[in-house]
Amino acid sequence: GENVEQHPSTLSVQEGDSAVIKCTYSDSASNYFPWYKQELGKGPQLIIDIRSNVGEKKDQRIAVTLNKTAKHFSLHITETQPEDSAVYFCAATGFNKFYFGSGTKLNVKP
Amino acid sequence: EAEVAQSPRYKITEKSQAVAFWCDPISGHATLYWYRQILGQGPELLVQFQDESVVDDSQLPKDRFSAERLKGVDSTLKIQPAELGDSAMYLCASGYRGRTDTQYFGPGTRLTVL
Repeated sequence: GENVEQHPSTLSVQEGDSAVIKCTYSDSASNYFPWYKQELGKGPQLIIDIRSNVGEKKDQRIAVTLNKTAKHFSLHITETQPEDSAVYFCAATGFNKFYFGSGTKLNVKP
Repeated sequence: EAEVAQSPRYKITEKSQAVAFWCDPISGHATLYWYRQILGQGPELLVQFQDESVVDDSQLPKDRFSAERLKGVDSTLKIQPAELGDSAMYLCASGYRGRTDTQYFGPGTRLTVL
């Protein structure tokens, strides 16, 4: 099966700085890579996703890049705000099954 | 905006007792998933339904866990008997027919087994 590794496990940035979270995957058949934000006591919320035929996707302050050759993808958050503080999960899916990373706890200091 | 509903939000039980969780997916979503999330980890799939049929339950501990989606709409996940190691967040997610790679999660049920 797929193996998704996520780094770092914790990330602390100053408000206004950028944050980058990286994930690697093992199964070359994986073709869809969503990112979820999970706030304390809540379920994961889809914030952005990318498919294997695209190298980059951007939505306001959030962007995701995909390198299929190297099997890694990254989440980029610019101009971070305190409300961006949460746990972020990457996932990879192929054959209709999701495999989640272990999560990154992002702390944005005001 | 439509959301996945789950109840209860919190459940405290003693080991060896039975517990049940309920999920109501977004209207029109044919695919429904139950995940278990241990604190500090990512969600792990327990069972996946397509309409009322089980598509994948390979990670479901079938000696104590059961799941059903009788009319292809809402779903129930049951644990009997509960064990200390079952303490976790139980998440339900749903997706469109033919778009099983897009999942929308509910708020989860936090289970504590004493």
